Amino acid sequence: QSALTQPASVSGSPGQSITISCTGTSSDIGDYNYVSWYQQHPGKAPKLMIFEVVNRPSGVSDRFSGSKSGNTASLTISGLQAEDEADYYCSSYTSNSSRVFGTGTKVTVL
Amino acid sequence: EVQLVESGGGLVQPGGSLRLSCAASGFTFSVFGMSWVRQAPGKGLEWVARIKEDGSVKYYVDSVKGRFTISRDNAEKSLYLQMNSLRAEDTAVYYCARDQCRGNSCYDYWGQGTLVTVSS
Repeated sequence: QSALTQPASVSGSPGQSITISCTGTSSDIGDYNYVSWYQQHPGKAPKLMIFEVVNRPSGVSDRFSGSKSGNTASLTISGLQAEDEADYYCSSYTSNSSRVFGTGTKVTVL
Repeated sequence: EVQLVESGGGLVQPGGSLRLSCAASGFTFSVFGMSWVRQAPGKGLEWVARIKEDGSVKYYVDSVKGRFTISRDNAEKSLYLQMNSLRAEDTAVYYCARDQCRGNSCYDYWGQGTLVTVSS
């Protein structure tokens, strides 16, 4: 049950687009369309941003989008805003019915 | 309004025990699977355990198997995590979260977390 691999940090200027990758294996991301993404501001609980690879919960901005190719999932934030500065985590269902999170990515708005 | 409120965290010595609780409100608790997720200070999220809606099936991360037990009381709308043989590496904020999505693969509501500190 190794953590999924994410870049430690990603940055961008306001209005730009950034993409966060999340790499797993054929036993998790590669075998299931059950990837979700969470946003976490300091001292707060995580918030669901994307589920089942590409779906946004009601109330989440359409500037957030998800995709997957092989064993790697991605979260793209377009039109970057100051409020998007936070930590982001991916998560996947795994072949032994457990769950695994990514290592986390700190997004900085320059 | 969906609410999840954790309690029971605190300071405990290595080898000790603690029982966390999560009180749910604002939804039909008995039809949702529930999970515990933890976050060590300054670290990332780690899935800990999951329990099915009726409590019949439970899953654990390898590092807590045999030491932690997840349970629920649907009549009381409560989720629990019994933690035994605690280690320093169990120090973390523990969140309860509601399972959602296909395959119960996402968590749509989270509590505010309760801090567990294992130290002598």
